[in-house]
Amino acid sequence: GAGVSQSPSNKVTEKGKDVELRCDPISGHTALYWYRQSLGQGLEFLIYFQGNSAPDKSGLPSDRFSAERTGGSVSTLTIQRTQQEDSAVYLCASSYSGQETQYFGPGTRLLVL
Amino acid sequence: AQSVTQLDSQVPVFEEAPVELRCNYSSSVSVYLFWYVQYPNQGLQLLLKYLSGSTLVKGINGFEAEFNKSQTSFHLRKPSVHISDTAEYFCAVTRTGGGNKLTFGTGTQLKVEL
Repeated sequence: GAGVSQSPSNKVTEKGKDVELRCDPISGHTALYWYRQSLGQGLEFLIYFQGNSAPDKSGLPSDRFSAERTGGSVSTLTIQRTQQEDSAVYLCASSYSGQETQYFGPGTRLLVL
Repeated sequence: AQSVTQLDSQVPVFEEAPVELRCNYSSSVSVYLFWYVQYPNQGLQLLLKYLSGSTLVKGINGFEAEFNKSQTSFHLRKPSVHISDTAEYFCAVTRTGGGNKLTFGTGTQLKVEL
């Protein structure tokens, strides 16, 4: 079946602009995660959604970052007033409820000029 | 909280030679352990995982790993590597129970040479 998909695959933006990154999880997966992969910080957790529960936002680096998940499926990660240090690959993963194995999408490569 | 240490940032190896990529973890609670592989410009692909039971786990592409609780290690091994194994390998941990964030190591770049 189809895996996790993310769009766009690449995004170049100017400092100060807002960006939206999209994630389509595997059908039937109720858990959705966002991670960031950058040269300086490695792979780090950002946010976790599970069904209708309140999301775990403990990994969001600043209040410029937010995410939502509509209808328990598609998720959008929004970065406001982008900074150069936001340049990274943003990875989305999904899993079945209560299951330990996360399946990753191909990522969105964000470059802030 | 959990942490993962991958001491080797790069491991060069000749084709058909054996390889071991080291991973040590720290946690105050029970954990699940994973190895993921990342090929250039791609996402993470699960190689194998340890949840419980036999401490030797086998994964895809001929890889295996052994969980050692006393040494808090989960080293990845392959008896004979191929050029196509060139990639970055990440060890990760999450607390047991499912539905929890992964904590990753810094990755090991495996470079297989002819």
